[in-house]
Amino acid sequence: KNEVEQSPQNLTAQEGEFITINCSYSVGISALHWLQQHPGGGIVSLFMLSSGKKKHGRLIATINIQEKHSSLHITASHPRDSAVYICAVRGYGGATNKLIFGTGTLLAVQP
Amino acid sequence: DTAVSQTPKYLVTQMGNDKSIKCEQNLGHDTMYWYKQDSKKFLKIMFSYNNKELIINETVPNRFSPKSPDKAHLNLHINSLELGDSAVYFCASSQEAGSNQPQHFGDGTRLSIL
Repeated sequence: KNEVEQSPQNLTAQEGEFITINCSYSVGISALHWLQQHPGGGIVSLFMLSSGKKKHGRLIATINIQEKHSSLHITASHPRDSAVYICAVRGYGGATNKLIFGTGTLLAVQP
Repeated sequence: DTAVSQTPKYLVTQMGNDKSIKCEQNLGHDTMYWYKQDSKKFLKIMFSYNNKELIINETVPNRFSPKSPDKAHLNLHINSLELGDSAVYFCASSQEAGSNQPQHFGDGTRLSIL
């Protein structure tokens, strides 16, 4: 079993819908990252969280350290949000910044 | 200006060949990484260098040899390529090892072994 699990694996939504992607992890962490990868494209860092909540435009990320769970929300979804969303955690590793990745959630937003 | 640039973007080659992928970052970061993304889009760390020194070396075949001539460059050389090496390889950088700074990724190198 992967140390970082995401759900759902695949998600299809209609334009305008509110979207939630979940991430659960089984290790102690110092930070959690949400990344976005467009088809055939590179990877972009969306958020880095160690507690609470962050918002950027239509994207909101929350984390509950006690429950080892994070969610990524997209409000008023748009076809350009279609991408793979990847959760990654960084454990307590001293002088390393090693990320452990989830399996990703493939989001398709239909017009 | 591209922050983390990898070359080539696509690499198609025969089994058994030796190939290199180059990575450069102009962000002034101290730490660089190589990741492998398999056909199921799963990312996994391969190597990390901090100021030209190797700090992470996951269970990777020794056919893979990273080289960091300076802290702005981290190249990946692969000997005797095998079919299973087909994947997308991503380079990334961050401010410093051990810090909770975001990582900046390159666009990836799509390696296909025939």
